[in-house]
Amino acid sequence: GESVGLHLPTLSVQEGDNSIINCAYSNSASDYFIWYKQESGKGPQFIIDIRSNMDKRQGQRVTVLLNKTVKHLSLQIAATQPGDSAVYFCAERLNNAGNMLTFGGGTRLMVKP
Amino acid sequence: DAGITQSPRHKVTETGTPVTLRCHQTENHRYMYWYRQDPGHGLRLIHYSYGVKDTDKGEVSDGYSVSRSKTEDFLLTLESATSSQTSVYFCAIRQGPEAFFGQGTRLTVV
Repeated sequence: GESVGLHLPTLSVQEGDNSIINCAYSNSASDYFIWYKQESGKGPQFIIDIRSNMDKRQGQRVTVLLNKTVKHLSLQIAATQPGDSAVYFCAERLNNAGNMLTFGGGTRLMVKP
Repeated sequence: DAGITQSPRHKVTETGTPVTLRCHQTENHRYMYWYRQDPGHGLRLIHYSYGVKDTDKGEVSDGYSVSRSKTEDFLLTLESATSSQTSVYFCAIRQGPEAFFGQGTRLTVV
């Protein structure tokens, strides 16, 4: 797999603490949002999604919050583990013919043991 | 990995030469996408396809062309590679509302 050495905002957390990663999206017409995790040397992997008619969705150890008023998305990871260390991207989808995803710049999460 | 294979995985090529990257999928997905990933830009859409012989441009399509002559293969071509096209290229398919990505191809244009 491949990855790039991105010059990214970095969030450093202690193992066991909760992590919050934030994302500002651009288009108020976007109807669907996804968080992806990209580990070194791999392609992005789906974590959790949320539709625009919701403001919160929970998964296993992860929660996504959507604030459409300020076009803000956040990913909360509970009890962060070393395996959570990766780059995290939010993506928004415009409900158009291609259902294309537009990605944010990413945040690097580093978990200290 | 949703049955996505990218080839080659690494390539070094000279400026001005043509390059074709291949994305192969085994699950008969209709939608396929090519993205590039660069420092400071995240993932940007180059081209996408919504069926055999049906393609459209994405955000950064200049200098790239694509072809989809059969469902399983989506080809990305750089007609005359430039140094600005040095990047990591990801293919993706759409399954429901989600996109699943291949492992990527690192292309270096020297």
